[in-house]
Amino acid sequence: TQLLEQSPQFLSIQEGENLTVYCNSSSVFSSLQWYRQEPGEGPVLLVTVVTGGEVKKLKRLTFQFGDARKDSSLHITAAQPGDTGLYLCAGEGGGSEKLVFGKGTKLTVNP
Amino acid sequence: NAGVTQTPKFRILKIGQSMTLQCTQDMNHNYMYWYRQDPGMGLKLIYYSVGAGITDKGEVPNGYNVSRSTTEDFPLRLELAAPSQTSVYFCASTWTGDLISNYGYTFGSGTRLTVV
Repeated sequence: TQLLEQSPQFLSIQEGENLTVYCNSSSVFSSLQWYRQEPGEGPVLLVTVVTGGEVKKLKRLTFQFGDARKDSSLHITAAQPGDTGLYLCAGEGGGSEKLVFGKGTKLTVNP
Repeated sequence: NAGVTQTPKFRILKIGQSMTLQCTQDMNHNYMYWYRQDPGMGLKLIYYSVGAGITDKGEVPNGYNVSRSTTEDFPLRLELAAPSQTSVYFCASTWTGDLISNYGYTFGSGTRLTVV
């Protein structure tokens, strides 16, 4: 069974600070996705990383896929209150018909 | 383009009652999924479908049933509701040819169900 461990589970920071969220597994994934979920809504896809070592940037968010394709990180620079939400990573295993989700990191950015 | 539409948004059920959670997508996606989300527990897969007429169990199927008679609709049926089924339910869909990663999941906005 493929599992994805996210850390930290909760993170509360002040506006303007930087932060990193981690997504780790002992399994190899063919791709990893990051979603953000705001209260009362469903998760929304932020990015997909496919190649080991790949780095993608989305404004102040930087996503990295580990060289061995077992882990990923999300770094937010100069966090803003609008970044508040639940961040979920999800992995696709080879040939699978469904994604494996981590339990999420709940981020609160205080003004 | 509405995406994935879930109804109702909120519902309170009494123990032993039954109900159907509706899910419709207008993106011609072939794969559809039902998840439940409990605080601190992430998303747990209930059932999924890879096309009309094909369904399969996820990790927590007990107490639920699904059907997929059309590409667009994937209703989730709760029979004999129990307090343990109090949760937020999400429907999702994707188009996948070779890789899910090509498109990602599109989620509905959820149904918050309370069983009392």
